[in-house]
Amino acid sequence: GESVGLHLPTLSVQEGDNSIINCAYSNSASDYFIWYKQESGKGPQFIIDIRSNMDKRQGQRVTVLLNKTVKHLSLQIAATQPGDSAVYFCAEKVASGTYKYIFGTGTRLKVLA
Amino acid sequence: DGGITQSPKYLFRKEGQNVTLSCEQNLNHDAMYWYRQDPGQGLRLIYYSQIVNDFQKGDIAEGYSVSREKKESFPLTVTSAQKNPTAFYLCASRTGGDEQYFGPGTRLTVT
Repeated sequence: GESVGLHLPTLSVQEGDNSIINCAYSNSASDYFIWYKQESGKGPQFIIDIRSNMDKRQGQRVTVLLNKTVKHLSLQIAATQPGDSAVYFCAEKVASGTYKYIFGTGTRLKVLA
Repeated sequence: DGGITQSPKYLFRKEGQNVTLSCEQNLNHDAMYWYRQDPGQGLRLIYYSQIVNDFQKGDIAEGYSVSREKKESFPLTVTSAQKNPTAFYLCASRTGGDEQYFGPGTRLTVT
């Protein structure tokens, strides 16, 4: 199977609890951010995005918070379910004309029944 | 059914052989990307293309080549010059805004 999750930080949460996954980004000029979910052996799945002119954005059961002062991004998952178990990583778009993205290494979320 | 397809899902090659990974999208996206994913590392950009017949090297382009003859297709060739080709390869495309979506990936194993 896919071994991309080896040696990643792991967050274990009880089913039904809320999860908070954090990401420190690198470039203060980045203007757009994405959270992805990646299950073993599969491609990353787009979850939610946020632009740098916002500090919070909500989706279905997910919320992204952006703190530009400390270059920090977080993903909150409400009422975590077993299907949420995966590796989550953030991406930042470098604010230039090249449309390049920088990706974090990810956090493994384990949902305990 | 719109999306990004990559084939094959698993690919095995002998050292010294070139191999081409397929990526097709029917999302009408102009920009397409190839990334490599290794355990414990963030995705690394190999090549990207913002428009047909144009592409740029990413951070780890050595040993790889691409073409972009059609909007829908962005194949990646892993050449024998790539020193450590075994990895999970991901293709992505980007909307007219900034959203980037990924295909299911191809796991290449070179022995």
